[in-house]
Order: sequence, then C-alpha cells, then structure tokens
Amino acid sequence: AQSVAQPEDQVNVAEGNPLTVKCTYSVSGNPYLFWYVQYPNRGLQFLLKYITGDNLVKGSYGFEAEFNKSQTSFHLKKPSALVSDSALYFCAVRDGRGGNNRLAFGKGNQVVVIP
Amino acid sequence: ETGVTQSPTHLIKTRGQQVTLRCSSQSGHNTVSWYQQALGQGPQFIFQYYREEENGRGNFPPRFSGLQFPNYSSELNVNALELDDSALYLCASSFPTSRTDTQYFGPGTRLTVL
Repeated sequence: AQSVAQPEDQVNVAEGNPLTVKCTYSVSGNPYLFWYVQYPNRGLQFLLKYITGDNLVKGSYGFEAEFNKSQTSFHLKKPSALVSDSALYFCAVRDGRGGNNRLAFGKGNQVVVIP
Repeated sequence: ETGVTQSPTHLIKTRGQQVTLRCSSQSGHNTVSWYQQALGQGPQFIFQYYREEENGRGNFPPRFSGLQFPNYSSELNVNALELDDSALYLCASSFPTSRTDTQYFGPGTRLTVL
C-alpha cells in the first residue's frame, strides 16, 4: 500500500527564516504526491502536487516542494516564513487501489512560526 | 474557498443513534470522497463515489454508508454510533484524470458522540 511518513510532530521557526516540513513516501509505481494545509477548525487547503516533470514544484502562498526520487522524499519549503503560516501541514500520496484516487495522509506536522 | 460545502457544521449525537452528513461538490466535479479525521490524526479514507456508484472503500465497517445523487452531491450515513466515531468528517470533490485529480476539501462536519 502507498504511504507517507512525516517524522516530526512540530516544527518551530522564527518569522523570516526558511521553513521546511519533511515527508518521505513509500509507493509501488509512480508517486503522485500532495501537500495540504489545515487551519484551526477548517478543512484542508490544497498547496501543491507532484505528478511528473520538474522535481521542484511551486504552489500557493509562496510554498514549494522538492521531489527526490533517490531519497523518496517530498519536503515542503518556504524561503521566508510568516506568522500566518502557523498551521497543520499534511503530506499525502495518491493510493490508486481499485482505480480510484483515494489519498493516504501522513499524521501531520504542526508548524509554529514565532514572531 | 474551494466551492465544496458541507452541512451541518457541528452536531452532537448519543451512542447508538444514526447520523447523516451532507456534501455539495465543486461545480464540474463528478467524484466525492469522504474522510474521517480523528483528533490529532491525519484524515482516513472512508469511501469514494463516482457517478453515483461506490468506487473504493477504506477500512470502515458497513455501518458507514453513502450515496451520491445525480447532481454529484453526496451523503455519508453512520448507523449505531460509537464513541470512537467522534471526529471531523471531511468531504472532497475531484474530477479524476491522469494528471489533474486534485481533491478539494470542504470545511468539514464536527461530530461528537456522547
């Protein structure tokens, strides 16, 4: 089965510093990878995805992610964090069992941006 | 905002009762997926509906059932509620193709079972 792992529970970063949220994946076949963000009492907002092509994917709100096939990683990055980036971040992989596009999520990373 | 709406926002039920949650998909999307997000966890796939047919199911018992209507809106029904069913229930709509099958999520329904 397809799966992702987010090894850190919480990431603390000072405002203005680079932000990295880590994700590793395990898939059979080509990986379809996604990042979502969740603010308190809200649903998930799509940030970006990797399907194929360039290893550096650019997404919403200044976020980007780097796909690394040899390290089976898909880390989310932002060059300069804002206090408003404080939220819960989920990495997900498309799990195409049965021909559907179900997503398998990691447990999430809480990001805290310190003013 | 994604255009995916869910109702109600919150509800409280007691153990053994039944509940129906509703989801309206984004315009043009023919697929709806339901996920359960327990506190402190990532969302877990319940099932998916494509053109009114169930198209895949996660590891959830049969008391979790669903429907999709001709306008692609959807319902999630849970019978014989248990305390562990307390969670945020998320619905996501998509238009699956090989390259553009991003799922867009609604705001969720917070279910509390007492």
